[in-house]
Amino acid sequence: EAQLVESGGGLVQPGGSLRLSCAASIFTFSDHFMDWVRQAPGKGLEWVARSRNKVNSYTREYAASVKGRFTISRDDSKNSLYLQMNSLQIEDTALYYCVRVQGGGDSFALDLWGQGTMVTVSS
Amino acid sequence: DIQMTQSPSTLSASVGDRVTITCRASQSISTSLAWYQQKPGRAPDLLIYRSSSVQIGVPSRFSGSGSETEFTLTISSLEPEDSATYYCQQQRSYPPTFGGGTKVEV
Repeated sequence: EAQLVESGGGLVQPGGSLRLSCAASIFTFSDHFMDWVRQAPGKGLEWVARSRNKVNSYTREYAASVKGRFTISRDDSKNSLYLQMNSLQIEDTALYYCVRVQGGGDSFALDLWGQGTMVTVSS
Repeated sequence: DIQMTQSPSTLSASVGDRVTITCRASQSISTSLAWYQQKPGRAPDLLIYRSSSVQIGVPSRFSGSGSETEFTLTISSLEPEDSATYYCQQQRSYPPTFGGGTKVEV
């Protein structure tokens, strides 16, 4: 069964950095766009970033709230997705999900989610 | 950014009831809308994509409809395991925004 497993979360001070990883298995990772979505404690879902696939030149999109601070990347040879988070702020505290994107054009949907990795930004 | 507004924010219903959740977009998104179900302590699951296409494995009691700015998720006959929070998300333009969620209590 296809799965995504995140790692790398933890406690970090404001202004610090953290790198999240996501290991994909049992599907052709390189074919898919991949997202990071986060959820602050007790709150709703917030889309963070997207990595397109090789066919789409690995281009990236970011939410305004993280643009310039976060970098999404991928290594198709390792079936892995990453999120480098710099200049972390208290409001970045959330459970971060790695998510597979299905579809194309304007009919994308997020069809496979990891279990999430918690990031806590606190002094 | 396109704003997605869900209503109601909470809903209490009984087993067997027909339940409808509404999602409104601040501008036209054609049919670029997905619905997700999230149970406590778990990651969301995809229910519906492209407004009305049911994801493989999702029970037939779930259906979606709508276009442009008005969308609905319907559960035709509520089951106890449908207790969850439901989110809509538009994929028409970046950023792909989510609605605020609708908590359904059975």
